[in-house]
Amino acid sequence: AQSVTQLDSQVPVFEEAPVELRCNYSSSVSVYLFWYVQYPNQGLQLLLKYLSGSTLVESINGFEAEFNKSQTSFHLRKPSVHISDTAEYFCAAQGSSNTGKLIFGQGTTLQVKP
Amino acid sequence: DTGVSQDPRHKITKRGQNVTFRCDPISEHNRLYWYRQTLGQGPEFLTYFQNEAQLEKSRLLSDRFSAERPKGSFSTLEIQRTEQGDSAMYLCAGGTSGIFEQYFGPGTRLTVT
Repeated sequence: AQSVTQLDSQVPVFEEAPVELRCNYSSSVSVYLFWYVQYPNQGLQLLLKYLSGSTLVESINGFEAEFNKSQTSFHLRKPSVHISDTAEYFCAAQGSSNTGKLIFGQGTTLQVKP
Repeated sequence: DTGVSQDPRHKITKRGQNVTFRCDPISEHNRLYWYRQTLGQGPEFLTYFQNEAQLEKSRLLSDRFSAERPKGSFSTLEIQRTEQGDSAMYLCAGGTSGIFEQYFGPGTRLTVT
């Protein structure tokens, strides 16, 4: 079955500390992988994506994710978080059909504390 | 702002009533997706349109659900005889063939009492 698993439902962290949000995908999905962020009372926004090429992809606000084919993982990291990074983060993979539909993980709530 | 709008933003209805939601993507979005998100879960795919053609429907989409995209622009999602289990956030996303990103609207939160 096509699935994406986010291993942590909540991640509390202090401001300026590093953080890693974990994501694993089943081998039956495509290797087009995404992280979306949902700030309180806002819609989903694309944070970064892996389509091909370099396995390390970066966002404009300091997040990065590494595609690891052997471990079927696409973990999200940031070396130093800010209060403003508090949000829900969703890992997603494109399904194996040609429609481009996304298979989402359950989400991880990042709580940045002062 | 993704340019994708949804209306209404909130809908409260009584069990058994019919509801209709609207999604307006930007003109470049020939692809349109509907997802459903329940509390504490990630969005789940419901259905997909390429232009006006509905090309895929999830098994989650029971016979009470119908979606249309009559002119390949805006789309509507109708739920007939609503049930309490239909309470969720309904998300619409637009996309363009050959470009992998999907751009989400703010969602319509449905509460069935």
